[in-house]
Amino acid sequence: DAGVIQSPRHEVTEMGQEVTLRCKPISGHDYLFWYRQTMMRGLELLIYFNNNVPIDDSGMPEDRFSAKMPNASFSTLKIQPSEPRDSAVYFCASSHTGQARSTEAFFGQGTRLTVV
Amino acid sequence: AQKVTQAQTEISVVEKEDVTLDCVYETRDTTYYLFWYKQPPSGELVFLIRRNSFDEQNEISGRYSWNFQKSTSSFNFTITASQVVDSAVYFCALSEISGYSTLTFGKGTMLLVSP
Repeated sequence: DAGVIQSPRHEVTEMGQEVTLRCKPISGHDYLFWYRQTMMRGLELLIYFNNNVPIDDSGMPEDRFSAKMPNASFSTLKIQPSEPRDSAVYFCASSHTGQARSTEAFFGQGTRLTVV
Repeated sequence: AQKVTQAQTEISVVEKEDVTLDCVYETRDTTYYLFWYKQPPSGELVFLIRRNSFDEQNEISGRYSWNFQKSTSSFNFTITASQVVDSAVYFCALSEISGYSTLTFGKGTMLLVSP
């Protein structure tokens, strides 16, 4: 399996522009997570999906952030409009929970977003 | 609420030294999972180990070993005979049974192994 695939790897955009980050989870995984990593706050959960349904979006910082999962193999995280403080590394991760209720999450390589 | 504390911000060792990375956690759940992830300079997060709260057996995998002690709420990670390739940021994380795989991460410990 190719693992979790994120695109783009790097994104530089101007303040006010719309940014869309993409994620393809590992096939067969029923949970998908979006995390953000910053120097100040470390790794924090933004939102997660189970079977394509958003379960908890309490970590989404503002209404400017939105996430969708239209099918089991694709998710997007959109920021509109973007601001310099959104600059961070955004990770997508997926896991297969099944009976264990908590298994290891496998992470993509991340998207490094810079908003200037 | 759950919390993970990695008090060591940065550790520097010389190759072949043993090094222990500390992790202390807080949770109200009786069932939970603990994890360690490695983030090398290339930036990806690499899963190392998962341990559930009912299994306090220590685990060894090659040069890596983990010491889980519920009495002190600690899940420490030891690298024996460190190598330059071990240089990375290491994250300890907690997942509560009620959290369905969501991870609460510590701030990470940067390990620098010099030749």
